[in-house]
Amino acid sequence: SQQGEEDPQALSIQEGENATMNCSYKTSINNLQWYRQNSGRGLVHLILIRSNEREKHSGRLRVTLDTSKKSSSLLITASRAADTASYFCATAQITGGGNKLTFGTGTQLKVEL
Amino acid sequence: DTGVSQNPRHKITKRGQNVTFRCDPISEHNRLYWYRQTLGQGPEFLTYFQNEAQLEKSRLLSDRFSAERPKGSFSTLEIQRTEQGDSAMYLCASSLARMGGSYNSPLHFGNGTRLTVT
Repeated sequence: SQQGEEDPQALSIQEGENATMNCSYKTSINNLQWYRQNSGRGLVHLILIRSNEREKHSGRLRVTLDTSKKSSSLLITASRAADTASYFCATAQITGGGNKLTFGTGTQLKVEL
Repeated sequence: DTGVSQNPRHKITKRGQNVTFRCDPISEHNRLYWYRQTLGQGPEFLTYFQNEAQLEKSRLLSDRFSAERPKGSFSTLEIQRTEQGDSAMYLCASSLARMGGSYNSPLHFGNGTRLTVT
């Protein structure tokens, strides 16, 4: 079953604009991770944020985590056409989740020239 | 780091046939995961190994599915008596779990095996 839901399901922006994707989840987590997937390819890890962290940056990526609302957001600044992909959040649960990641349904991002 | 390798990339089979997929993880990684992904959805967990031990299986993994990881190296996923509902992308991922840090390891994914059951 899917733990998280991303919002929006699809997002289309112009190159240079910022893209914001949101993720909501249901159970208490140890950490939350964001992955990117190009069409027909595997997923690539982008960033990990632990449950005791509120914000994290990596290059043009900014991730926030609000454990009280069970939500996270991924901001991509100054987007490029090469950022076109699907983006997934994934959670590592504290209990009952074993050592697996549970993925959300994804946001399809299209960056147009 | 040569990455996670999956073979074949594509497999078309007729309903009722058996299929086997192979995954070669990153060599120093002790954890190996299998996920299944259908169009427009996120990956769904199937099973995972710590070294050669299969430690967890999803309820999605019916008795037609079996996975092995002999000697804690490569892994195979076999589907017996395939059904059209088995059509999906099968993704393998590996990670390095250190003592006390098991929850925090990012997964490294292969490019998947796309299965089509006709």
